[in-house]
Amino acid sequence: AQSVTQLDSHVSVSEGTPVLLRCNYSSSYSPSLFWYVQHPNKGLQLLLKYTSAATLVKGINGFEAEFKKSETSFHLTKPSAHMSDAAEYFCVVSESRSSKIIFGSGTRLSIRP
Amino acid sequence: GAVVSQHPSWVICKSGTSVKIECRSLDFQATTMFWYRQFPKQSLMLMATSNEGSKATYEQGVEKDKFLINHASLTLSTLTVTSAHPEDSSFYICSARQGSGRAGPGTQYFGPGTRLTVL
Repeated sequence: AQSVTQLDSHVSVSEGTPVLLRCNYSSSYSPSLFWYVQHPNKGLQLLLKYTSAATLVKGINGFEAEFKKSETSFHLTKPSAHMSDAAEYFCVVSESRSSKIIFGSGTRLSIRP
Repeated sequence: GAVVSQHPSWVICKSGTSVKIECRSLDFQATTMFWYRQFPKQSLMLMATSNEGSKATYEQGVEKDKFLINHASLTLSTLTVTSAHPEDSSFYICSARQGSGRAGPGTQYFGPGTRLTVL
C-alpha cells in the first residue's frame, strides 16, 4: 500500500530565506513522486517529479527536491523564498503498478515580508 | 507543458438541478482522466477514474448515479452532478494523464478547477 505524509500543515518563512517542506512516503513498489502547488481558487501546477532517474530533481520557480530512499523522504526546498511562493503545496506518490495517485494533506506556505 | 482546461470555472445553481462540468486535454491525448473534489483547506479527494470508452471506476463512498462521468473521447471527459444539493457545493478538479511509460505512470496534469455552489 502507498501513503504520503506531509509533516507540516503550515510553514511560515521570511522573504529571501530558505524554504523546506517535508514529505515522507510509503510504497510497496518503485514510486513516482511529485510536488504540486495550488494557489487560492486555482488548479494544481506541477512543480517537479521523480521517476527513478536522478535523485535530486530540479523543478520550476527555483524549487528542487531530493529523493532519499533510506529515509523514505522527498522534501521540497528552495534557497530563497519569494512572496509569490505563498500557496498550498501537495506531495503526491504513485506506484508503478497502480493507476492511482495519493495526495498528502498539503502544506500551506506563508511568506513574511 | 500539457494543458488541461475545465469549463465552467464557476457555476451557481438551484437545488435539484443538474450541472455538467467539462474537462479537456488541449494538446495531448488523455487515455485516463480523474475527477477530484476538494473541500476548503483540505486535500484533494479522488472521486473516480475514467478511461476513454469505458465506464468510470468510482471510489468507495462516491455515488455513481449522482456523479455521472462520461469519457467519450481522448480529449474530453464530463462530470454531471445530478439533482445537486447544497452539500454538493465544492471545488471540483479534473486531471488528465498522458499515458504510462517505462518510468512508471504518466504524469497527471490538472485543470484549473470548477467552483460549484448549490443554493
